[in-house]
Amino acid sequence: GAVVSQHPSRVICKSGTSVKIECRSLDFQATTMFWYRQFPKQSLMLMATSNEGSKATYEQGVEKDKFLINHASLTLSTLTVTSAHPEDSSFYICSALWAGTYGYTFGSGTRLTVV
Amino acid sequence: KNEVEQSPQNLTAQEGEFITINCSYSVGISALHWLQQHPGGGIVSLFMLSSGKKKHGRLIATINIQEKHSSLHITASHPRDSAVYICAATNSGSARQLTFGSGTQLTVLP
Repeated sequence: GAVVSQHPSRVICKSGTSVKIECRSLDFQATTMFWYRQFPKQSLMLMATSNEGSKATYEQGVEKDKFLINHASLTLSTLTVTSAHPEDSSFYICSALWAGTYGYTFGSGTRLTVV
Repeated sequence: KNEVEQSPQNLTAQEGEFITINCSYSVGISALHWLQQHPGGGIVSLFMLSSGKKKHGRLIATINIQEKHSSLHITASHPRDSAVYICAATNSGSARQLTFGSGTQLTVLP
């Protein structure tokens, strides 16, 4: 089946540093990748939608200069949290849309802790 | 009012019980998804359906397009079924974004 590999699964970083999270589709082409953020006991919140080869579309309230998304190939999308602060600590998860369908595969998520 | 509403919010069952989680939506959809999120956070897509009924092992998902309602059933529940179950709808627009329900925390006791 379709697999999305997300790394790292867990990261602790110092305030002010940047963290890159990768999502890689292993056996299918992901023309569209969605990035979500999830706070404890809450539902997934869409941050941005990225299409291969074009700029990401950010949801209202999400700072595009802080959360840099790159989707340079059909199998790789990255989210970089720049100049991280403790309030950026959260669970980040990606999902890839299978080309030509409405099927989604989710990454395993990244738990980011900024100290 | 959320466009996708789930109930119940929390559900505790004894091992072996039949479980039903309900989902209602108010938007036009292309597909309805049932997702499972385990304590570690990873999400697994259980079903994607646009009509009728699908079955996979002990899990059954149904959808009634006219009533804009879907249900997820678990037969012969087991403690390993304990997880958060999320209903999500793909909107009819071209963006194909998912609109999520608030999730149902299921705990199955041995």
